[in-house]
Formats: sequence, structure tokens, C-alpha cells
Amino acid sequence: KNEVEQSPQNLTAQEGEFITINCSYSVGISALHWLQQHPGGGIVSLFMLSSGKKKHGRLIATINIQEKHSSLHITASHPRDSAVYICAVNRVGGGGADGLTFGKGTHLIIQP
Amino acid sequence: DGGITQSPKYLFRKEGQNVTLSCEQNLNHDAMYWYRQDPGQGLRLIYYSQIVNDFQKGDIAEGYSVSREKKESLPLTVTSAQKNPTAFYLCASSMTQGVTNTGELFFGEGSRLTVL
Repeated sequence: KNEVEQSPQNLTAQEGEFITINCSYSVGISALHWLQQHPGGGIVSLFMLSSGKKKHGRLIATINIQEKHSSLHITASHPRDSAVYICAVNRVGGGGADGLTFGKGTHLIIQP
Repeated sequence: DGGITQSPKYLFRKEGQNVTLSCEQNLNHDAMYWYRQDPGQGLRLIYYSQIVNDFQKGDIAEGYSVSREKKESLPLTVTSAQKNPTAFYLCASSMTQGVTNTGELFFGEGSRLTVL
């Protein structure tokens, strides 16, 4: 079983819909990252969080440490939000400066 | 603007040839990383470096090598020993405090290597 599981793997929605992408993890963590990978391949960091909730524009990320679960929400979705969204966790005691484990990503398509 | 530059974006090589992928950052980050991405899989760590002249193997280091002669650069060499080198390669950097990653990750645009 992967240490970081994302769902759904693929999601197609209409412009304007509220989008939720989920991430569950099975290890102790110090932080969780949400990343966005553009069709060209480049990756941008959206959020890094260790508790509670963060908001940036139309994006909201929440984390429940007890449940070992995080969600990424997109409000008023737009075709330019189409991308792969990746969840990654900093494992506690993961070793070195990179105790990072990545999910496989959620491929989101927003249709106009 | 500060960021990470990877080159080349696309690279084609014949089997048995070594290739070197460039990664340069001007963010003054101590930690730099190389990841490999294959279809349907999460990113996997090849090598990382926390300080100049020091680097550590990641989960899939076999067939790869790196050097860290200066803080800004971590070039990755894909050697002929790498059995399946065709993949998308991503370089990243972050701030660290000791061995703890304390900040967000910054990624380059990636390099797609195809071995013919």
C-alpha cells in the first residue's frame, strides 16, 4: 500500500464547479505539500501546511492530522485549473533533508 | 527573477551514451534534489544534496551520478548503467535547517530524456 494515496486519480468537471481532491497518508508527518503540475511538466508549490487550513485565491487546503487526511478545494473552477495536482508529505524521521513521499497525482480537466 | 533553470528541456540519446542534465538555482537554497517521474507513478528521489561538496543517494540512485561543486548547481549524469533511462527528470530546491526541510519546494520545468 502506498504511503500517500490520492483520490480521485482522474476528474473531469464543468467550468464553475467546486472541486475537491483528497489525500490520505499512513505515516507520521511534519508537513504536507500540495503541488500543481502544468501540462508542460513544470511543478509549482501551492501550499505547505502542518495544521488547519490555508487559502490562496480560489484554492483552499485543509489538513486533519488526527485523521491523516488533507483536501484541496478549488472554487469557481476554470479551464486554466486543468493540471495534475500532487500531494506530498514530509515524513517524520524520514532521513536527510528529503523525507518526502509523493502521491501519484490527480489529473484534473475543467471543461468550458 | 529567482528560480530554477533546467536544461535541456528535451534530450534524445542513443543507448549506451552518458548524458548530463543541468540544474541551476539562484534562490540561495542549500538543498537541491533530482527526481524522476514515470507515467502513473509518484516522483521518486534520485539524489539530493544539502551542502556544497556533499550529496546523498535517494531511492533510485543506481545508474545516476551528481556533483555539487557550487551551491547554485546540481548536474545529474545518467550513465549507460541506468537500465531504463527514458523518463521525465525534475530538479528541485528548498530551504533547510539542519536536516529538516523548512520551506516550500521550488521545481524546475523538467527535462524529458528519450533513449533510442
